[in-house]
Amino acid sequence: DVKVTQSSRYLVKRTGEKVFLECVQDMDHENMFWYRQDPGLGLRLIYFSYDVKMKEKGDIPEGYSVSREKKERFSLILESASTNQTSMYLCASISAPGHPNFGSGTRLTVV
Amino acid sequence: QKEVEQNSGPLSVPEGAIASLNCTYSDRVSQSFFWYRQYSGKSPELIMSIYSNGDKEDGRFTAQLNKASQYVSLLIRDSQPSDSATYLCAVVRGDRGSTLGRLYFGRGTQLTVWP
Repeated sequence: DVKVTQSSRYLVKRTGEKVFLECVQDMDHENMFWYRQDPGLGLRLIYFSYDVKMKEKGDIPEGYSVSREKKERFSLILESASTNQTSMYLCASISAPGHPNFGSGTRLTVV
Repeated sequence: QKEVEQNSGPLSVPEGAIASLNCTYSDRVSQSFFWYRQYSGKSPELIMSIYSNGDKEDGRFTAQLNKASQYVSLLIRDSQPSDSATYLCAVVRGDRGSTLGRLYFGRGTQLTVWP
């Protein structure tokens, strides 16, 4: 079974801090995704990557950046955390012809 | 228009009934379709995947895909209280230049199955 690991389950950060959320998958998947999930809004795509060093903006990239230096690792960076970035963050990976696999999520609170 | 739309719910059915969940998508080049179940505070878990027109059955679950109508549905037969969760429809949309494309989700439908 594919394993997608997110480094932290819960995280509390202060406004203005630089925050790194890490995601690692163990199945050599090409595509990796970062979403945030908020009540009533569903999963919204922040960024995705289809290869090492390749990235594309999703629907809500403002305030975020990503890094994919190795195929197995996709990092989400909050350059200067703000309270409106308090959310559940979910990482997923997929490789044809499979289905998306999710990490367990990181609940980030910015105070 | 959103990429993926689901019937908003919430949906409430008695134990043993059939629950019907619906989803439409906007992009005709969409390739792959998935239904996920998500319990509160947990990450989504896959229930069904479907790639070609028609029905696909797995136990109490049946997924239906109609690409001409851009419609995908999930039927849950003999619903159980343990099926109470939020159900998410997901669609992989083909994008030029990327291997697989973007993965979009609907907002989810909250299902409650009462004893």
